[in-house]
Amino acid sequence: SQKIEQNSEALNIQEGKTATLTCNYTNYSPAYLQWYRQDPGRGPVFLLLIRENEKEKRKERLKVTFDTTLKQSLFHITASQPADSATYLCALGTGGGNKLTFGTGTQLKVEL
Amino acid sequence: NAGVTQTPKFRVLKTGQSMTLLCAQDMNHEYMYWYRQDPGMGLRLIHYSVGEGTTAKGEVPDGYNVSRLKKQNFLLGLESAAPSQTSVYFCASSYSNSLGSSYNEQFFGPGTRLTVL
Repeated sequence: SQKIEQNSEALNIQEGKTATLTCNYTNYSPAYLQWYRQDPGRGPVFLLLIRENEKEKRKERLKVTFDTTLKQSLFHITASQPADSATYLCALGTGGGNKLTFGTGTQLKVEL
Repeated sequence: NAGVTQTPKFRVLKTGQSMTLLCAQDMNHEYMYWYRQDPGMGLRLIHYSVGEGTTAKGEVPDGYNVSRLKKQNFLLGLESAAPSQTSVYFCASSYSNSLGSSYNEQFFGPGTRLTVL
């Protein structure tokens, strides 16, 4: 069966460290993968998109990698700040019309 | 630009009642989506639309109907609400670029929290 797995347990890190979040998938062949941020009580907000032929994408303090052999994406936040505390969702592009299939998300907490 | 707006923000229904959730976007996007989000389940696609007058089923369409009579609006209907439809509902929109690629981000509304008693 198809599955998208993200760390179900919350990730707690200290301010200034690099946070690394994992997204693993099985029985999908996504053309692209996206990462979103979701704050409590609000809708998800897009962060980064990476295509199947790209290994790495960067945007300011954010970096995402995409390994189609391992079927895994890693999402890094460098020099993390308490304001980075949120739930991060990965989503696979799984069909026409820009349809996305979402993982359950990983809650990140950055402590002082 | 308001982006994606959803009406209402909160609603409580009794089992068997019907209601319509309204989603509006002012970005002239072709694609629109309805998701539900439940604890431990993530976002799941209910229905989507790739253009005015067209709709298609997503992952969990049963118990819901949709209509897209105008490009900027996407309506989600519950004909006979059930407690299993208690959830947070999100609408989103997206676009295809000048090259026809639809590999683009989705813009989400603030959500509607629905409780069915």
